[in-house]
Amino acid sequence: GAGVSQTPSNKVTEKGKYVELRCDPISGHTALYWYRQSLGQGPEFLIYFQGTGAADDSGLPNDRFFAVRPEGSVSTLKIQRTERGDSAVYLCASSRDRQETQYFGPGTRLLVL
Amino acid sequence: AQSVSQHNHHVILSEAASLELGCNYSYGGTVNLFWYVQYPGQHLQLLLKYFSGDPLVKGIKGFEAEFIKSKFSFNLRKPSVQWSDTAEYFCAVNRPMNSGYSTLTFGKGTMLLVSP
Repeated sequence: GAGVSQTPSNKVTEKGKYVELRCDPISGHTALYWYRQSLGQGPEFLIYFQGTGAADDSGLPNDRFFAVRPEGSVSTLKIQRTERGDSAVYLCASSRDRQETQYFGPGTRLLVL
Repeated sequence: AQSVSQHNHHVILSEAASLELGCNYSYGGTVNLFWYVQYPGQHLQLLLKYFSGDPLVKGIKGFEAEFIKSKFSFNLRKPSVQWSDTAEYFCAVNRPMNSGYSTLTFGKGTMLLVSP
């Protein structure tokens, strides 16, 4: 079946701009996760959704970052007033529920100039 | 907070050589352990996982890992690597909690290059 998809695959923006990154999880997966992977690092947790609600947003670095999942399927990660330090690969993963294995998407590579 | 340490950032091997990638974690309680692999140009894929039971776990493509609780380790092994094993390997851990499991904590990754 179809895996986790993310769009866009690459995003170049200027410092101070607003960006939205989209994640389409595997159909039927109730749990959805966002991670950020900087160069030379492993993925770092940002936020976790169970259904429509953000069950754990403790990994969001500051209030410029926000994510939604209004219908319990597609999720959007929103970054306001982007900074050069936000440049990274943003990964999305989904699982059937929180106890199950996470399946990762291809990521969105964000470059802030 | 839990942390994961991968000993080698880069490993270079010739085909048919044996592989062992080290992984240590910091949390002292019950943990679930994972190895993920990222082939060039592809997304992260699960290689194998340990939740409970036999501490020697077998995964895809001939990989295995051994959970040694006393050493807080979950090293990945393969007796004979192939050129197609060239990839980045990530160790990860989460913990069972009342409401499910904690989020995954990843190591920094080990880049494996296998020369033909």
